[in-house]
Amino acid sequence: GAGVSQTPSNKVTEKGKYVELRCDPISGHTALYWYRQSLGQGPEFLIYFQGTGAADDSGLPNDRFFAVRPEGSVSTLKIQRTERGDSAVYLCASSGLPTDTQYFGPGTRLTVL
Amino acid sequence: RKEVEQDPGPFNVPEGATVAFNCTYSNSASQSFFWYRQDCRKEPKLLMSVYSSGNEDGRFTAQLNRASQYISLLIRDSKLSDSATYLCVVNSNDYKLSFGAGTTVTVRA
Repeated sequence: GAGVSQTPSNKVTEKGKYVELRCDPISGHTALYWYRQSLGQGPEFLIYFQGTGAADDSGLPNDRFFAVRPEGSVSTLKIQRTERGDSAVYLCASSGLPTDTQYFGPGTRLTVL
Repeated sequence: RKEVEQDPGPFNVPEGATVAFNCTYSNSASQSFFWYRQDCRKEPKLLMSVYSSGNEDGRFTAQLNRASQYISLLIRDSKLSDSATYLCVVNSNDYKLSFGAGTTVTVRA
């Protein structure tokens, strides 16, 4: 079946701009996660959704970052006033239950110039 | 201190060799342990879970030492296709995965 998909695959933006990154989880998966991976590092947890609600957003670095999942399926990660330090690969994952294996999407590579 | 620490390598080994590496974790309450594999510019994929008694999956063997808080991965009879970054992953609650920075393995012909 179809895996987790993310769009766009690459995004180049200028400092100060607003960006939206989209994640389409595996059909039927109620748990959705966002992670951020900087060069040479492992992924770092940002936020976890169970259904439509953000059950844990403790990993969001500051209030410029926000994520939604209004219908319990597709999620959008929104970054306001982007900074060069936001450049990274943003990975989305989903699982059937929170304790199940997390399946990752291919990521969105964000570059802030 | 990072929650999960790994030797970054790289480990350069010839085909057919055995390679092994470890990671350590800081949270003694951690409950679940995994090795993920990540190819260059690709997403992480689950390689195997790690159980207290140790477990094997083909040429891959994982061990967990809860007392010393370290996890190991051993790859026997290395193949060129085993070249990748191996991420040590620890789960301290139901859903939040903590990743190490990865160990790079390069298998040469």
